[in-house]
Amino acid sequence: TQLLEQSPQFLSIQEGENLTVYCNSSSVFSSLQWYRQEPGEGPVLLVTVVTGGEVKKLKRLTFQFGDARKDSSLHITAAQPGDTGLYLCAGAGSNDYKLSFGAGTTVTVRA
Amino acid sequence: DAGVTQSPTHLIKTRGQQVTLRCSPISGHKSVSWYQQVLGQGPQFIFQYYEKEERGRGNFPDRFSARQFPNYSSELNVNALLLGDSALYLCASRMGRVNTGELFFGEGSRLTVL
Repeated sequence: TQLLEQSPQFLSIQEGENLTVYCNSSSVFSSLQWYRQEPGEGPVLLVTVVTGGEVKKLKRLTFQFGDARKDSSLHITAAQPGDTGLYLCAGAGSNDYKLSFGAGTTVTVRA
Repeated sequence: DAGVTQSPTHLIKTRGQQVTLRCSPISGHKSVSWYQQVLGQGPQFIFQYYEKEERGRGNFPDRFSARQFPNYSSELNVNALLLGDSALYLCASRMGRVNTGELFFGEGSRLTVL
């Protein structure tokens, strides 16, 4: 079972639309990371959030860490076909050596 | 600079066989972790090795074993393969042992067990 629950599981939108992916847990994490994985490749880190309530922006991507450090969201503005991929959230403890991943959200942006 | 490299990229085995997967971390990285990603799921932690010692183990049976060599490369071994072992096996490296700094993943070894 996944410690982190991601929703929705699948998301298909038209180019130019906005989307939000959610990552929820009953556990508190010291940090939470978002990765994007394309077919045939390993996950690539997009961002790390460490402070409750933190908001980080990476071009058209906005990441938020919940105040209680149990949940996070990823918002993409004006999605492009290049945003297509599997988006994974992963939580980590402060002195932990492993990441606990969610099952991922498959995003498809149609041209 | 080379990223994390894994070999082989794809392989097919039959039930009961044994498999060895290899990983070379980014130069200077002393920590290597292994994750299993079953289709439709996120990666699940298997092992972490740091400075050639096992530092963490996930919830996997003893059929799974690994080691790290003096040059920090690593091997993952799986014995008595089951159909359920079919997955993408990801190797990841970082500088330190704990979750500080970025974790870099390789492209994975896709194992199919028939």
